[in-house]
Amino acid sequence: ILNVEQSPQSLHVQEGDSTNFTCSFPSSNFYALHWYRWETAKSPEALFVMTLNGDEKKKGRISATLNTKEGYSYLYIKGSQPEDSATYLCAFNTGRRALTFGSGTRLQVQP
Amino acid sequence: GAVVSQHPSRVICKSGTSVKIECRSLDFQATTMFWYRQFPKQSLMLMATSNEGSKATYEQGVEKDKFLINHASLTLSTLTVTSAHPEDSSFYICSAVRLAGGQRQGKNIQYFGAGTRLSVL
Repeated sequence: ILNVEQSPQSLHVQEGDSTNFTCSFPSSNFYALHWYRWETAKSPEALFVMTLNGDEKKKGRISATLNTKEGYSYLYIKGSQPEDSATYLCAFNTGRRALTFGSGTRLQVQP
Repeated sequence: GAVVSQHPSRVICKSGTSVKIECRSLDFQATTMFWYRQFPKQSLMLMATSNEGSKATYEQGVEKDKFLINHASLTLSTLTVTSAHPEDSSFYICSAVRLAGGQRQGKNIQYFGAGTRLSVL
């Protein structure tokens, strides 16, 4: 059974704060690591797909890093805005088509 | 961008009835769709892989006779919860893999529907 852990479970920050959260995954049989942003009542939105150790990806104020040897990925949000409030999911892929998800980090950004 | 539509978004039904949930890829073709389930405070858990034109592949512990999956076209997969019981109450969500020539599937982005909240009374 694959275990994907995300921490913290939830996070409250003030507008303008920068924040980061962690996804831990098995370091063996790694193929890809996906990050999704999921707003309530909407579809999860793909942020990044990361495949190589040391990968760093950026999309606006959001960036992510990947360490496949130790089995973790960080997601960073710079200067959080209320519209960043969402649940951030990471998902691990071994080469099968399906994804194994963490339980998510719920971010609330207070204006 | 790729859009996946899931319908209905919410359904309340009586115990013993069957419920059908549809998942459509609106602007792309998907030979593979996935059905996940999420219980409160838990992760999205894969139930089954739906393959166009062939039988679905179910994860261990998921009853294929209870959760019927049909993937009759490249844009539509349906999940039917047969003889629903209160313990089937959950959040069900589908995803579709967009075909990307030359790319291995694990790196392909999955596009998700918005999910269906099923409540069985």
